[in-house]
Amino acid sequence: AQSVTQLGSHVSVSEGALVLLRCNYSSSVPPYLFWYVQYPNQGLQLLLKYTSAATLVKGINGFEAEFKKSETSFHLTKPSAHMSDAAEYFCAVRGEGRRALTFGSGTRLQVQP
Amino acid sequence: EPEVTQTPSHQVTQMGQEVILRCVPISNHLYFYWYRQILGQKVEFLVSFYNNEISEKSEIFDDQFSVERPDGSNFTLKIRSTKLEDSAMYFCASSVATSEGETQYFGPGTRLLVL
Repeated sequence: AQSVTQLGSHVSVSEGALVLLRCNYSSSVPPYLFWYVQYPNQGLQLLLKYTSAATLVKGINGFEAEFKKSETSFHLTKPSAHMSDAAEYFCAVRGEGRRALTFGSGTRLQVQP
Repeated sequence: EPEVTQTPSHQVTQMGQEVILRCVPISNHLYFYWYRQILGQKVEFLVSFYNNEISEKSEIFDDQFSVERPDGSNFTLKIRSTKLEDSAMYFCASSVATSEGETQYFGPGTRLLVL
C-alpha cells in the first residue's frame, strides 16, 4: 500500500525567500505523485503532478517539484515566496492500478512580510 | 475553465438525520470520487465511481454511505443516519484518463456539521 509523509506541519518563510515543502512517499511500484494547494475556505487545487515523463515537474504559480526515486521524495519548491502563497499544501500519491489518492497530512505555509 | 461544483456549501443537521451532498462533475469526466477531511486531519478517500457503479471504496465507506449518479450531470453522496463523527468537509472530485495520465479535479467542498 502506498503512503505519503510530509515533514513539517507548519513552515514559515519570509517574502522573497525560498520555499521548500517536503514529501516522501512509500509505494511498491512507481507512483503517480501530486501536489495540491488549499487556500482558506476553498477546495483543493492541483499545483503539479509527476507521471514519469520527467523527474522535474513545473506547476502553476512558479512552483516545481523533483521526483527522486533513490530518496523516495517529491519535494515542492519555489525560488521566491509571495504573500499569496500562504495556504495549506498537500502531497498525494496514487498507486498503479488504483484510483484513490492517498494524501499526506499537509503543510501550512506562512509567508511573513 | 470547467469546474467541479458542490451544493450546499454548508449543511447543519441533527444526529440520525439523512443528508444528501450534491456534486456536478466536469462534463466530459468519467470517474467520480468523494473524499472527506475532518477538521485538522488529512484528506481521506471514501469512494470512486465509474460506469454507474462503485469501483473502489475505503473502510470509511460503510453501509451508512451510498453514492448515486441520478442523471447525466449530478453525483450524490448520501449519509443515511448521520453521526457526530461524520462532521467534516466533503470533497467531490472528477477525472478523465488522458495520454498524460489521470488528474482528479476537486470541488470547493461541503462543510457538514452534525449536532
